[in-house]
Amino acid sequence: EAGVTQFPSHSVIEKGQTVTLRCDPISGHDNLYWYRRVMGKEIKFLLHFVKESKQDESGMPNNRFLAERTGGTYSTLKVQPAELEDSGVYFCASNQGLTYEQYFGPGTRLTVT
Amino acid sequence: KQEVTQIPAALSVPEGENLVLNCSFTDSAIYNLQWFRQDPGKGLTSLLLIQSSQREQTSGRLNASLDKSSGRSTLYIAASQPGDSATYLCAVNKSDYKLSFGAGTTVTVRA
Repeated sequence: EAGVTQFPSHSVIEKGQTVTLRCDPISGHDNLYWYRRVMGKEIKFLLHFVKESKQDESGMPNNRFLAERTGGTYSTLKVQPAELEDSGVYFCASNQGLTYEQYFGPGTRLTVT
Repeated sequence: KQEVTQIPAALSVPEGENLVLNCSFTDSAIYNLQWFRQDPGKGLTSLLLIQSSQREQTSGRLNASLDKSSGRSTLYIAASQPGDSATYLCAVNKSDYKLSFGAGTTVTVRA
């Protein structure tokens, strides 16, 4: 069984540009989560999808961030326009339900210069 | 707001010694507590999940305990090996699914 995959593994962009991160959850997992860790901080929750619906987006920092999950399969997280403080590692996770462990992808390291 | 604290922040032990990693959380109304391992530049690997109704979970040399009422969990790693060197993260969630993470304990096992 393939794990959670994320693309790209690393992205370097200039301030003001747009970047789109992709996450493919484990097949059959209805729940998909985005988290991020910025320099020196704990990993923080961004949002949660159940199938194609946003269940909780309370962690999204501002309206420059847009997440989608078309057809309840893969998800994208777009940052537009990127700011310096958006630099960090963005993780995606998935699971089958509340009582199940969350499986994390390898993360995308975003560097905004 | 859930606060998760991990002590110590870093730990260095000689090979063969047992490891004890501590995690505390402020809101005891949790559903799950999950321990992860992260190697440098890598993603998070789930080690153990303890549901709120459980008091411990074991997997090989790993044993995690949970005292929900006092807001504490301890991860024990028996007979440490250099390959156990990594950052260990503790995370909890409530009924809203989202995980709240501690800052982690960075472990170095000296050969």
